[in-house]
Amino acid sequence: EDQVTQSPEALRLQEGESSSLNCSYTVSGLRGLFWYRQDPGKGPEFLFTLYSAGEEKEKERLKATLTKKESFLHITAPKPEDSATYLCAVRDYGGSQGNLIFGKGTKLSVKP
Amino acid sequence: NAGVTQTPKFQVLKTGQSMTLQCAQDMNHEYMSWYRQDPGMGLRLIHYSVGAGITDQGEVPNGYNVSRSTTEDFPLRLLSAAPSQTSVYFCASNPNEADPIRYTFGSGTRLTVV
Repeated sequence: EDQVTQSPEALRLQEGESSSLNCSYTVSGLRGLFWYRQDPGKGPEFLFTLYSAGEEKEKERLKATLTKKESFLHITAPKPEDSATYLCAVRDYGGSQGNLIFGKGTKLSVKP
Repeated sequence: NAGVTQTPKFQVLKTGQSMTLQCAQDMNHEYMSWYRQDPGMGLRLIHYSVGAGITDQGEVPNGYNVSRSTTEDFPLRLLSAAPSQTSVYFCASNPNEADPIRYTFGSGTRLTVV
C-alpha cells in the first residue's frame, strides 16, 4: 500500500533557526513528489514538484530535495511568516489518474 | 481572475439531509477534483474529472456524487448526510491530468453533520 509519512508532526523554531522537515514514501513507482503549504482556514498552496532522486528545488528560504525513499524540505533562517502546515504528497504510476497521496503534514511555528 | 471558488464556506446539516457543495474555476482547467481533510489524516481524494462529461471515483467516493456538465463547474453532492462526512472539503483544479499536478485549491467548505 502506498504511504506517505511526514515528521515531525509539529516543529517550533526561533526566527533564524534553520531546520528540515522529512517526508518518507513508499510507492510502486514514483511519478512525482509534491510540497504544499497550508495556512489555517485556507486551501493548500503549491510549492514544489520533484521527480527524480538528486533533484533539488528552491524558493526563497525553502529548499526541497529528493532521494529514492524520502524528501526533505529545508528551511533556512525562517521568519514568522513561514509558520504554516507543510504537506507532502506523491503521485505514482499505479494510482488513479491525478490522485495525490498526501501525508498528514508538519505544523511549523516560527517565533520572533 | 478568481481561481477556484467554493461555496458555501461553512454548513451545518442534520443527518439524512442532502446538499451540494459548489466548486467553480475560471482558469479553463480540464482537471478538477474533490478532497476531504480530516484531523490527523492526510487529504483524501473523493472524486475527480478529467474534462466535461467525464468523472471517476477516488479513494473515498461512498456517499458522494459528482457531475461535470461544464469545464468551469464541478459540484459535489451529499445524498444523505452522515456524521462521518463531517470534514473540510477542498476542490482543486489543474490544467490537465498530466504532470505536473500543481493543484490550485479552493479555500474549502467546512461541513458539520449533526
